[in-house]
Amino acid sequence: ELKVEQNPLFLSMQEGKNYTIYCNYSTTSDRLYWYRQDPGKSLESLFVLLSNGAVKQEGRLMASLDTKARLSTLHITAAVHDLSATYFCAVGIYTSGTYKYIFGTGTRLKVLA
Amino acid sequence: DTAVSQTPKYLVTQMGNDKSIKCEQNLGHDTMYWYKQDSKKFLKIMFSYNNKELIINETVPNRFSPKSPDKAHLNLHINSLELGDSAVYFCASSRTFLGRESSYEQYFGPGTRLTVT
Repeated sequence: ELKVEQNPLFLSMQEGKNYTIYCNYSTTSDRLYWYRQDPGKSLESLFVLLSNGAVKQEGRLMASLDTKARLSTLHITAAVHDLSATYFCAVGIYTSGTYKYIFGTGTRLKVLA
Repeated sequence: DTAVSQTPKYLVTQMGNDKSIKCEQNLGHDTMYWYKQDSKKFLKIMFSYNNKELIINETVPNRFSPKSPDKAHLNLHINSLELGDSAVYFCASSRTFLGRESSYEQYFGPGTRLTVT
């Protein structure tokens, strides 16, 4: 069974600090998605990583993908309060004739002023 | 213009009732999904339809019945609601998987918070 694990599950950090969220998955995939979810809101797409070694950056967030290690990271640089949200990674796999998205457990990030 | 819309946004009902949630997308996608997000924020796929055809049916009680009248709409009907059905239900859509060229990004609706009392 495909598993997608994120760590940490909860992250409380001070403004201005750097941190990394890790996403490990258990089967071959070459698409990895990162989403942000604010409390009571929907999921907003942040990044789509399509190949091994892919790196994408948007503002203070940078995502990377290592398909050999089955690992993606979401790095936060100089965190600000507005980044407080739950972050999900998801793996896209094509199996049994269909394309599925398997979500990680989510990382709840709180940035303290 | 809202890309993926759901109604209602909130649904409070009693155990044993039957309720429906509607979803519409105007992105021209031909694959649509229903997800359930529980109180711990865990997101799990329930169903997927491609061009009105059911293609993913995870281990969901048969009290849940999706219906897709056309490729822009995917509704979810729930019979005999139970306390454990309380959750946020998200609809999403994407393009059909055709090969390795594209991202197959999913777009999510705003969610329907279902509370069963």
